[in-house]
Amino acid sequence: DTEVTQTPKHLVMGMTNKKSLKCEQHMGHRAMYWYKQKAKKPPELMFVYSYEKLSINESVPSRFSPECPNSSLLNLHLHALQPEDSALYLCASSPFSGYEQYFGPGTRLTVT
Amino acid sequence: GNSVTQMEGPVTLSEEAFLTINCTYTATGYPSLFWYVQYPGEGLQLLLKATKADDKGSNKGFEATYRKETTSFHLEKGSVQVSDSAVYFCALRGYSTLTFGKGTMLLVSP
Repeated sequence: DTEVTQTPKHLVMGMTNKKSLKCEQHMGHRAMYWYKQKAKKPPELMFVYSYEKLSINESVPSRFSPECPNSSLLNLHLHALQPEDSALYLCASSPFSGYEQYFGPGTRLTVT
Repeated sequence: GNSVTQMEGPVTLSEEAFLTINCTYTATGYPSLFWYVQYPGEGLQLLLKATKADDKGSNKGFEATYRKETTSFHLEKGSVQVSDSAVYFCALRGYSTLTFGKGTMLLVSP
């Protein structure tokens, strides 16, 4: 089973809202990733967790706050977002950091 | 630093035509190379991979060979189907992250 699940599938939020994106994998992978993808562009790496510890933060604004409660779960907490943050947010996992990554279907976020 | 260059799209083909999408890379050492496919409205799916020079990755009729001498990893398929219409991303593995090309859109008409 190479499935990564993400919820919700779609999210519309105002600039003052607080919301969270959730990602789950049950493949025993020890690395998990958040990406942001704008239309017609490749994914941009935001965060990498390895063994449940944040190992890479690609200078992402503090209005995005990642959390890895356990080895299967990855959350992305959103607060005070801007309209330009509207994008597809993709989660991925890999057996270990640096191995091939398996992506979830993404959450389509619209900030109004 | 690492970089991946893909041919510009869209690539427009008729069903059963032969497909080539070019990908070249710049990297130190010999990175692992990947092709990912993204269907409309979906996430990325790992299509195939190669981990060392002369390796051939293959899946669902698609193939790509890791060419060290030309630093290339071109994607090929002998006979495309309408269902192959998607965006294809070439990527290389750095120390702990992926470097993606800009993506190539493939449109296949009946």
